[in-house]
Amino acid sequence: AQTVTQSQPEMSVQEAETVTLSCTYDTSESDYYLFWYKQPPSRQMILVIRQEAYKQQNATENRFSVNFQKAAKSFSLKISDSQLGDAAMYFCAYRSAYAGGTSYGKLTFGQGTILTVHP
Amino acid sequence: NAGVTQTPKFRVLKTGQSMTLLCAQDMNHEYMYWYRQDPGMGLRLIHYSVGEGTTAKGEVPDGYNVSRLKKQNFLLGLESAAPSQTSVYFCASSQGGANTGELFFGEGSRLTVL
Repeated sequence: AQTVTQSQPEMSVQEAETVTLSCTYDTSESDYYLFWYKQPPSRQMILVIRQEAYKQQNATENRFSVNFQKAAKSFSLKISDSQLGDAAMYFCAYRSAYAGGTSYGKLTFGQGTILTVHP
Repeated sequence: NAGVTQTPKFRVLKTGQSMTLLCAQDMNHEYMYWYRQDPGMGLRLIHYSVGEGTTAKGEVPDGYNVSRLKKQNFLLGLESAAPSQTSVYFCASSQGGANTGELFFGEGSRLTVL
């Protein structure tokens, strides 16, 4: 079974600064997807960024980028030019690329990291 | 675009009471999931469905039942609620099969069992 670990329960950053959230995962599969979701106080789960394991290039979405290290099974999220609206809980998640078997497309989540942004 | 809709958004129950959470999606997705979110534990999969008429157990299925009589709806039932089931519940859906891998989530339902 796959596991996802976020070892930072809480992080903080000053507005306009850069912060990196850590995530490690364990899997025996070679093809999978990794995600970062943002959950603001509204509870809505918002997809921030997605990485396909077969792609060596790190995904980027505006101020959000990842550092994907497949061999090390590490998937960190970097938020540049942090804004007050970035304050939220962030979840790292894993999904197998195999549609059937025991996975059926389910997401396995880490424990979450609460990000505080100071003005 | 409604996406994934959960009802109710909030509910307070007494121990032993029963209730049903309804999840509806309008994206014609095959796969649907029920997760619960607890502090320090992330989201954990309760049950899931890969199509109309099918359901399967996830990581934490005890105390819950589900049904998927229609493709667009996925119901989560608590037959005899316990305080340990106090949580925030999320429904999600996805296309299934070979796809981009994204799950679409509802807004969550906060359940308190006294």
